Amino acid sequence: KQEVTQIPAALSVPEGENLVLNCSFTDSAIYNLQWFRQDPGKGLTSLLLIQSSQREQTSGRLNASLDKSSGRSTLYIAASQPGDSATYLCAVDNTDKLIFGTGTRLQVFP
Amino acid sequence: NAGVTQTPKFQVLKTGQSMTLQCAQDMNHNSMYWYRQDPGMGLRLIYYSASEGTTDKGEVPNGYNVSRLNKREFSLRLESAAPSQTSVYFCASSEVTGLTEAFFGQGTRLTVV
Repeated sequence: KQEVTQIPAALSVPEGENLVLNCSFTDSAIYNLQWFRQDPGKGLTSLLLIQSSQREQTSGRLNASLDKSSGRSTLYIAASQPGDSATYLCAVDNTDKLIFGTGTRLQVFP
Repeated sequence: NAGVTQTPKFQVLKTGQSMTLQCAQDMNHNSMYWYRQDPGMGLRLIYYSASEGTTDKGEVPNGYNVSRLNKREFSLRLESAAPSQTSVYFCASSEVTGLTEAFFGQGTRLTVV
């Protein structure tokens, strides 16, 4: 059974810091991995999708990497801003369905 | 640019009542999903539909039924609500299961008393 773990569960950093969020999964037979952002009381917004054949994807200040063989992905956020405060979720697509981690709650303070 | 639309946004039910959560997407996606989100548990898949006319159970299907009415709409029904079904429910869709980005609705916050 696929299990997805995200560390740390919560993170508080000052504005301007570069930071890394971690995601690990137990079954490397995945189709893709997605990173999502969730604001309090809101739905999920897709940030980046990495196909199983890819090693990384970039969007603006965000960079996500994937190492399938070791079952790990990282989300790198450059020059963090207070507007980046949210919960970040990773999900792996494994046999037709997304399996989610429990998320990292990020707070960026001015 | 509606994307995935869920109704209602909030609902309070008494134990034993029934209700249907509605979901519609306007992106011509083949696959649709229902998740529930509970504190400390993350999102868990209830049911999904890989294409019009097909539905499959996810991780936590007990107490729920679904209908893929057409390509756009995927409804979730609680036949006899229980307090354990108090949760936030999310509908999602993707163009092709396993290969493409998933898009989520804004959620339905359900309380069963």
